[in-house]
Amino acid sequence: GAVVSQHPSRVICKSGTSVKIECRSLDFQATTMFWYRQFPKQSLMLMATSNEGSKATYEQGVEKDKFLINHASLTLSTLTVTSAHPEDSSFYICSASFPSRAGVGETQYFGPGTRLLVL
Amino acid sequence: KQEVTQIPAALSVPEGENLVLNCSFTDSAIYNLQWFRQDPGKGLTSLLLIQSSQREQTSGRLNASLDKSSGRSTLYIAASQPGDSATYLCAVGSKAAGNKLTFGGGTRVLVKP
Repeated sequence: GAVVSQHPSRVICKSGTSVKIECRSLDFQATTMFWYRQFPKQSLMLMATSNEGSKATYEQGVEKDKFLINHASLTLSTLTVTSAHPEDSSFYICSASFPSRAGVGETQYFGPGTRLLVL
Repeated sequence: KQEVTQIPAALSVPEGENLVLNCSFTDSAIYNLQWFRQDPGKGLTSLLLIQSSQREQTSGRLNASLDKSSGRSTLYIAASQPGDSATYLCAVGSKAAGNKLTFGGGTRVLVKP
């Protein structure tokens, strides 16, 4: 099956620093990658959608200058949380998809998540 | 805008009972619906994916049904075990939203031994 990895699995940083999270599709080429955020005891909220070689599309209310997304290749997308603050502490999950046949929605394959704690 | 609701938010059953988890969605123009399991502090494990043309999917003790016209899906887990304790999320891929998934709030399940 399609495997998606994330690195790091957890990170602790000081307020004001920037943190980069990597999302890789290990055995397929992902035309689209998605980034989600999940607060404790809440569901996943989509932050942005990124397509290889183009700018990410952010959901309403998500600051694109704070959450920088780069999708430089078909197997790698990165999320950088710039000038992180305690309220950015959350569980960040990525997913990746590839084209499917017409009329069928693309299946998203999820990474294991990255837990960010900003002190 | 697609909205996905899961009821109940939490469920506690004794071991051996069957589990019934409900998911409803407001826009029936969907590509697919997917059920996930999430253990505390962990990522998502995909359980079942139902395409819009299908009525149900089965995997072992799990069975998921889909009724697009009424905007509902039900996940059945037969003969529950303590290891089934987790949060179960349903997610809908809507045609209007392209490839985006809309998640429900989840149902936290506790199976007591």
